[in-house]
Amino acid sequence: TQLLEQSPQFLSIQEGENLTVYCNSSSVFSSLQWYRQEPGEGPVLLVTVVTGGEVKKLKRLTFQFGDARKDSSLHITAAQPGDTGLYLCAGYAGGTSYGKLTFGQGTILTVHP
Amino acid sequence: DAGVIQSPRHEVTEMGQEVTLRCKPISGHNSLFWYRQTMMRGLELLIYFNNNVPIDDSGMPEDRFSAKMPNASFSTLKIQPSEPRDSAVYFCASSLVSSGGGSRYFGPGTRLLVL
Repeated sequence: TQLLEQSPQFLSIQEGENLTVYCNSSSVFSSLQWYRQEPGEGPVLLVTVVTGGEVKKLKRLTFQFGDARKDSSLHITAAQPGDTGLYLCAGYAGGTSYGKLTFGQGTILTVHP
Repeated sequence: DAGVIQSPRHEVTEMGQEVTLRCKPISGHNSLFWYRQTMMRGLELLIYFNNNVPIDDSGMPEDRFSAKMPNASFSTLKIQPSEPRDSAVYFCASSLVSSGGGSRYFGPGTRLLVL
């Protein structure tokens, strides 16, 4: 069974601070996705990374896929209250997975004004 | 374009009652997923369909849970009889599964409370 471990589980910071969320596994993934979920809503896809070492930027968010495709990180620069939410990473193993994703447990981020 | 539509958005029922959750996926997507989310267990995949055919139902907790997808635009998740431990948020998601796994488009969820 493939597992994705996210850390930290909870993060409470002040507006303007930087933060990094980690997503680690002992398994190799063909691709990895990051989602953000706001209270009362479903998760929304932020980005997909598919190449080892790949870095993608989405405004103040920077996503990196590990060289070995076993881990990923999400870095937020100058966090804002609007960044508050649950961040989920999800890995796709490929092959006969038929599109099945493995989700991490999530990181709950709270950004205080 | 309309996203994934789920109904009802909230459901409160008593133990032993039948609960039916409904989902309309995004038109053109070939895969549909049912997830359950709780604080303790996070987001769990219950079952997923590809081209209306159930591919993997290993996440379905027990025989009380069943899911159907009679056509490309409709799916149901049924719990009969319901129990308090079934209380959770149930999400339906659809995707155009490709070699990259496909991006999941989640509905707003159904918040189920079984008393």
